[in-house]
Amino acid sequence: AQSVSQHNHHVILSEAASLELGCNYSYGGTVNLFWYVQYPGQHLQLLLKYFSGDPLVKGIKGFEAEFIKSKFSFNLRKPSVQWSDTAEYFCAVTPNQGGKLIFGQGTELSVKP
Amino acid sequence: EADIYQTPRYLVIGTGKKITLECSQTMGHDKMYWYQQDPGMELHLIHYSYGVNSTEKGDLSSESTVSRIRTEHFPLTLESARPSHTSQYLCASSDLLLAGGTDTQYFGPGTRLTVL
Repeated sequence: AQSVSQHNHHVILSEAASLELGCNYSYGGTVNLFWYVQYPGQHLQLLLKYFSGDPLVKGIKGFEAEFIKSKFSFNLRKPSVQWSDTAEYFCAVTPNQGGKLIFGQGTELSVKP
Repeated sequence: EADIYQTPRYLVIGTGKKITLECSQTMGHDKMYWYQQDPGMELHLIHYSYGVNSTEKGDLSSESTVSRIRTEHFPLTLESARPSHTSQYLCASSDLLLAGGTDTQYFGPGTRLTVL
């Protein structure tokens, strides 16, 4: 069965620190990969997605993610976080040919001003 | 980006009441979904639909039911609410890969349900 694993449950950083949130998935075929963000009190929003092509994808608000097929990973990065990045981040995977979206358990990011 | 609307945003009701959570989208997406999310936890798929008159149960067992009579509308109903149903319910929609879409899911704001 497919699964998505996010390495960190809660990450605490100071402003301007660099961020990397880990995401690994288990699925044997071609996948589409997503990162969603849920700011406090707001709905789940799409941060970025990877379908094919350049494995380094850029999203909104300065976020990027790199798909490493050999490692089944899709880690999220940001060079310098801001207090406003405080949110819960979810990695999600779906088979390339369509199917259910499988979510990781989420990583709560707290950025100290 | 899809416009997904959910009402009510917050609902507090007593045990045994029948409730319907509304979800509508204005982008003409064929696929719609209901997820259940507890605080700090992952999302669990409880229902989905690939089009009008199509409904399927998701990975997480749920006592709720859904209907899809119109493309834009995907309500979720609990016939008799219980405290164990207290949770956040998220609706989402996506377009079809076969129709040239990207199958990217877009989410509504959620309904936070509390059953006393």
